[in-house]
Formats: sequence, structure tokens, C-alpha cells
Amino acid sequence: DIQMTQSPSSVSASVGDRVTITCQASQGISSWLAWYQQKPGKAPKLLIYAASSLQSGVPSRFSGSGSGTDFTLTISSLQPEDFATYYCQQANSFPPTFGPGTKVDIK
Amino acid sequence: QVQLVQSGAEVKKPGASVKVSCKASGYTFTSYDINWVRQATGQGLEWMGWMNPNSGNTGYAQKFQGRVTMTRNTSISTAYMELSSLRSEDTAVYYCARGEQWDLDYWGQGTLVTVSS
Repeated sequence: DIQMTQSPSSVSASVGDRVTITCQASQGISSWLAWYQQKPGKAPKLLIYAASSLQSGVPSRFSGSGSGTDFTLTISSLQPEDFATYYCQQANSFPPTFGPGTKVDIK
Repeated sequence: QVQLVQSGAEVKKPGASVKVSCKASGYTFTSYDINWVRQATGQGLEWMGWMNPNSGNTGYAQKFQGRVTMTRNTSISTAYMELSSLRSEDTAVYYCARGEQWDLDYWGQGTLVTVSS
């Protein structure tokens, strides 16, 4: 199975900050990477697919980049509703696997 | 609008089985895969398997092989996930999610399964 790692595991930030989360795959996955946002007690929500494609309805302050083994999710200007846990997931090969998550909380 | 509505919370004893349902609406049920993902309290997301509602084909994570069965009833646009030989470590919220390839674009609200003697 492909292993996914994320860093940092948590980040404290303020409204308006630029936040960057990185995700690394244990082997190359081309651009087959998705990002999800999960708020407490809620189901995950798809933000980004194919590494950089914004899911319909997701604000443009979210962006994704990368290919191969290294990927980044960027929130350009953190909003109050963005405080959540973010997961990456490889969609390249069976079985799909998730990263351990990055919690974004209020500084 | 696309919706996946799951069945309610369950409490089971160790060794028992649980069957969770996921009713789809707002799209053609047979056109997208259904995946199942679970999350123990305070933990990350764990993918369990997928099912093609059109063909009934399934694929399970090795960890759950032999214990999980995913089925569907296309006449009522409902997918099911049954997990057997439950143990305390299976206590988690179980989600169904619609899949386009492996991108999970719509999720159910989750079903809490508690395994306790």
C-alpha cells in the first residue's frame, strides 16, 4: 500500500494568515491526490482533486499543487470557517490511502 | 441535490455483525461507485472498500477481507456495508461516500457503531 504522510500535524494560525500543508506519498502517484476538510462531528468534504483541481463550490482561497510524491495545500487567507482538520488521500492505486491529517486551529 | 443518508447508530456485542445502509438520491445510483470509510474517535480516516452499484463488483482493503461485505439494492438506490466478528476496535463512525475514480465527492452523515459487552 502507498503510505501518505502530512506535515505539520497541527498548525496554529490567525484569520487572514496564509497556511500551507504538505503531503508526501511513499511512491509516485502522478497527480492522483485529493484533499479533504473535516470539521468536528461532520463528514469530510472534498476540496481538491487531481492535485490542483478545485471541487465545485469550494472557495478560491484553497489551492493545491504538486505531482509525483510531494504535494501542497494552501489556504491563501484563512477564514474563521477554515479551522478544521485536513487530510490528503492518494487516488492513484488500490487501496486508496489517507494521510494522518493536519489540524488547523486558532492561534 | 446529491444526498447520501445513512442508517442510525448501532450498539453491538463483540462477535456480532452490523449492517449499515446508505440511501442515495439526487443522481443515478448506478453511475458512481460507493466507498466506505471509517473513523475511530479522535483518529484519522480509514478506507474499507468500494462497490460498483451497477455491476455489484467490490474491492476490499486487505485488513477487512473476510469480515466485510458490500452489497446494494438498485431498486431503492441503497448500498449496504456489513461487518462481522465485531471487536471493540471496530467502534467507529462509518461513512459511505460516492466515488468518481477514487475521489470521494459526496459523503453520508456517518453512522456510529459501538462494540461493547
